[in-house]
Amino acid sequence: AQSVTQLDSHVSVSEGTPVLLRCNYSSSYSPSLFWYVQHPNKGLQLLLKYTSAATLVKGINGFEAEFKKSETSFHLTKPSAHMSDAAEYFCVVRNFNKFYFGSGTKLNVKP
Amino acid sequence: DVKVTQSSRYLVKRTGEKVFLECVQDMDHENMFWYRQDPGLGLRLIYFSYDVKMKEKGDIPEGYSVSREKKERFSLILESASTNQTSMYLCASSFGNSGNTIYFGEGSWLTVV
Repeated sequence: AQSVTQLDSHVSVSEGTPVLLRCNYSSSYSPSLFWYVQHPNKGLQLLLKYTSAATLVKGINGFEAEFKKSETSFHLTKPSAHMSDAAEYFCVVRNFNKFYFGSGTKLNVKP
Repeated sequence: DVKVTQSSRYLVKRTGEKVFLECVQDMDHENMFWYRQDPGLGLRLIYFSYDVKMKEKGDIPEGYSVSREKKERFSLILESASTNQTSMYLCASSFGNSGNTIYFGEGSWLTVV
């Protein structure tokens, strides 16, 4: 069975400081992993995806994530937060036709 | 760019009404999905379809049905709306199997009064 755990429901950082959003997954197979961002009253937008190529994946807006099989983790990072990064972030695992979503992490960016 | 269009962004319906939420995608994707999103509960899968006229129940299908008569269109139907169906509904589509991205519409906010 697949599951996705986002370890923090809320993260607060100051503008210009690093961002770390944590995600652990369980999967019986070699998974496809994604991070999505959702701004208020909007749909989900793809940030990046991992599909068994390079373990460090670069996405849009300066985000990146590292796949660590031994830790079953896929944490999202950004070196320097911007006010526009304030949003909710979802970690997603895909297995065949189905997608499994984490419960989301709300990122607050303080000026 | 892939476009998933949900025709209604904001709806207000009365208890007991039949409600249709329409979704159209323009990329010839086989798979289409309906999720509902509630605070603290994340996204929960209602139904998905992997081909025309094919459908499978997701995690919370009770009180909902779906229709997929054409590949590009996937409709969510609330046969008799209830107040506990007040929520944000997200339609999504994807191509093929593993590795391919899921694309979302902008969402439909449904309020049942």
